Amino acid sequence: GQNIDQPTEMTATEGAIVQINCTYQTSGFNGLFWYQQHAGEAPTFLSYNVLDGLEEKGRFSSFLSRSKGYSYLLLKELQMKDSASYLCAVNNDYKLSFGAGTTVTVRA
Amino acid sequence: KAGVTQTPRYLIKTRGQQVTLSCSPISGHRSVSWYQQTPGQGLQFLFEYFSETQRNKGNFPGRFSGRQFSNSRSEMNVSTLELGDSALYLCASSSQPHTGLTSGANVLTFGAGSRLTVL
Repeated sequence: GQNIDQPTEMTATEGAIVQINCTYQTSGFNGLFWYQQHAGEAPTFLSYNVLDGLEEKGRFSSFLSRSKGYSYLLLKELQMKDSASYLCAVNNDYKLSFGAGTTVTVRA
Repeated sequence: KAGVTQTPRYLIKTRGQQVTLSCSPISGHRSVSWYQQTPGQGLQFLFEYFSETQRNKGNFPGRFSGRQFSNSRSEMNVSTLELGDSALYLCASSSQPHTGLTSGANVLTFGAGSRLTVL
């Protein structure tokens, strides 16, 4: 089986930094993805990690530690439009398994 | 480049009926995955098709089935609907299926979903 855990909700102020953690215990591991989903919309791809370390893409960065079964998504210089749900997903057993998602609310 | 198209967007059914949902992937994408999304469970994997073959299936009862056509379009069917089947059904396409390797070819592009309400 698999277990992918993320905090349910996080709140931060515009311009601040927020870190969304994701821990996983899965029967296999071939990579980890982060997706963003605005309310009422489809999820959209943010980043993926295969090897340990940090991947930076503009204001968003994602980190992976395979030995710890741990990843985080770092959102810098938060903007109001970043208010959304952030989904962690693990590629394992030839499918993508998602966590329940973290709802981030950005306040002015 | 057109995105992933799902039809219908909204539908209401009653218990015991069956429903068929359609998904047209991005042109050139041959892998189609289906997910069920509910507020409590998040995205749950239903199945993945590649080149008309089901590559993998999630932990759903046999009432949930799917298929893929030669043009990569996919359909999923739910028979004998139950109240608990009310959900957003998301289809996603990628150029390659999920394998032992992760790359940009596995990145999923999602459709807007089909919201099913079972009364």
